[in-house]
Amino acid sequence: SAVISQKPSRDICQRGTSLTIQCQVDSQVTMMFWYRQQPGQSLTLIATANQGSEATYESGFVIDKFPISRPNLTFSTLTVSNMSPEDSSIYLCSALLSDRALNEKLFFGSGTQLSVL
Amino acid sequence: GESVGLHLPTLSVQEGDNSIINCAYSNSASDYFIWYKQESGKGPQFIIDIRSNMDKRQGQRVTVLLNKTVKHLSLQIAATQPGDSAVYFCAENPPGTYKYIFGTGTRLKVLA
Repeated sequence: SAVISQKPSRDICQRGTSLTIQCQVDSQVTMMFWYRQQPGQSLTLIATANQGSEATYESGFVIDKFPISRPNLTFSTLTVSNMSPEDSSIYLCSALLSDRALNEKLFFGSGTQLSVL
Repeated sequence: GESVGLHLPTLSVQEGDNSIINCAYSNSASDYFIWYKQESGKGPQFIIDIRSNMDKRQGQRVTVLLNKTVKHLSLQIAATQPGDSAVYFCAENPPGTYKYIFGTGTRLKVLA
């Protein structure tokens, strides 16, 4: 299966600052997604990163807080803006990848552990 | 450090025993399901999947069972090993969408 690389793997940031997380897939993919995983919680979808158009955000997430770029079929970024301690989470990039039988399955990057002081 | 799984339900099993992890899904129309394993400091790793036209699927040491009547999914791990210690999530894919809905997760602890 393809490799999804995410960086940084972790960061400690001051409140009020912004952090941009990068996600690179080693093959072209149609669908990329960003998830948040708060401490001790499950995964919550932030948005679908659409290539060449604005991301589609889930309820409770807005573009001003989580701007997303998707300049091509292999790369996306998520920015966490004006951070507060409540933004401390793991942020996960994911993509739909096809297996040998052309079934699309959701795979994840290794995540970015964000701590906001 | 581990921030995943601090408040999740925990299943403790002896090494060598079989593990059964359960999941209740939300949408009766969901037609595709995946089990993921998440180790500390890593992203979720695909384990096994099943479509709604099946009720059982087997992989290497793992079996997924699907009961659509009660919207229940289970993951069975045979001869559990220390390397199986992780948090396990089920995810459902409702029809007509690329989105996945994740369950609450279960932390599996393998006791030596």
